[in-house]
Amino acid sequence: DSGVTQTPKHLITATGQRVTLRCSPRSGDLSVYWYQQSLDQGLQFLIQYYNGEERAKGNILERFSAQQFPDLHSELNLSSLELGDSALYFCASSVRGADNSPLHFGNGTRLTVT
Amino acid sequence: TQLLEQSPQFLSIQEGENLTVYCNSSSVFSSLQWYRQEPGEGPVLLVTVVTGGEVKKLKRLTFQFGDARKDSSLHITAAQPGDTGLYLCAPLRRGYSTLTFGKGTMLLVSP
Repeated sequence: DSGVTQTPKHLITATGQRVTLRCSPRSGDLSVYWYQQSLDQGLQFLIQYYNGEERAKGNILERFSAQQFPDLHSELNLSSLELGDSALYFCASSVRGADNSPLHFGNGTRLTVT
Repeated sequence: TQLLEQSPQFLSIQEGENLTVYCNSSSVFSSLQWYRQEPGEGPVLLVTVVTGGEVKKLKRLTFQFGDARKDSSLHITAAQPGDTGLYLCAPLRRGYSTLTFGKGTMLLVSP
C-alpha cells in the first residue's frame, strides 16, 4: 500500500461530459503529480502541485485542469471529454517535489469515454 | 526533444531464465529511477541510480547506470513469476523537478 488514495477506481461517461478525479497524497507528502497512461503513449506527465501551488506543467490539455487544496488533496477535472481521453489516470505524491524524490503512486482511475 | 527508448517492448520467458532490459536516451541525466507496475496497480519504485557507472543490487535484480549517464540496464537473474510486470525507467533531467517515463518493458514470466 503506497498510502496514496485515488477515487473513483472506474469511471464510465459519455463524450462531451465533465468528470472529477480525486487524490489524497501519502501522509506528509507535499507534492502531488498527475499522470495519464495509455497503451500507445505510455505514462505521460500532466501537472504537478507543491503545497497548493502549481509547480510544473506537462502535456496537459486546455480542457483539463487541476488544483491542490489546503489539506493537500488534489482534484483533476476533465471536461468536454473525447473518446481519446479514455485512459488510466494516476496520481503520485512525494515529500519534496524536486530532485529525485521517490514517487508514490495510487492505483489509478480508469476512465472510459463512450 | 528528449528521446527515451526502452527495449525490448515485450519479453516472455520461462521461470529460471535470466534477462536484461534497457533504457536509452540521447540526453544526459542527473539521476534515473526504475519502477515496476503490476496489473491493476500503480508503479512502485525499485531503485534510484545517481552516479555514472553505478551498480545497485536488489536481491536478484541488478541495475546499472551508464558511465555517460545516458542509459541504464536492469538485469534479472533466475526470473520468477512474481517478477511479471511493466518495468519503467524514469530519468530526471537537470533543472527539472518531474520525471519522464519510458513506455516500459512488459515482462511475462511463466511457471
